[in-house]
Amino acid sequence: DSGVTQTPKHLITATGQRVTLRCSPRSGDLSVYWYQQSLDQGLQFLIQYYNGEERAKGNILERFSAQQFPDLHSELNLSSLELGDSALYFCASSAEGHPGANVLTFGAGSRLTVL
Amino acid sequence: ELKVEQNPLFLSMQEGKNYTIYCNYSTTSDRLYWYRQDPGKSLESLFVLLSNGAVKQEGRLMASLDTKARLSTLHITAAVHDLSATYFCAVDRGGSEKLVFGKGTKLTVNP
Repeated sequence: DSGVTQTPKHLITATGQRVTLRCSPRSGDLSVYWYQQSLDQGLQFLIQYYNGEERAKGNILERFSAQQFPDLHSELNLSSLELGDSALYFCASSAEGHPGANVLTFGAGSRLTVL
Repeated sequence: ELKVEQNPLFLSMQEGKNYTIYCNYSTTSDRLYWYRQDPGKSLESLFVLLSNGAVKQEGRLMASLDTKARLSTLHITAAVHDLSATYFCAVDRGGSEKLVFGKGTKLTVNP
């Protein structure tokens, strides 16, 4: 157990629907990252939050949004789902803000299947 | 835009053999990470390399970093089946270019 908790582990839904993925970071970590892993695109950085504020944005579609709450858990909202959104979505956390390496600790992932 | 390239993408090797996975990146950085992913599982941090010439070793795996050549290597010594996994390198320039991953090298070690 990495200490990063993601729910749900598996999710099957239909095109056009909306889903929410949830992540609780490792205790003490202020940064949360979302990554999408698919066979064709590999691991793509979506977005990062640090202590409730958006810190960096990657290849995140406009249909997707995220937020980090005061208790530091984060949610990734995916709407108007398309077949191509089927992927494994990872949340990771780090104690960014400290000097030195920024090692990410990954959760187990949420596997989204859009039918 | 930071690009990270790994090769080979697929590697099938026999137990007991040695091999090296290469990771090239396109822009200046001195923070490079190696991760391991087992099928259907999460990513696990293996090594963190923070300076030119850094070398880290854990068991049969050794990672090194040459920031001038923008190259990191992951060397496998006397491979065993348990090393079968996908290995990712990732580079961090900080700022808005968060950890950028290579496509991964799927390693299969055959008995």
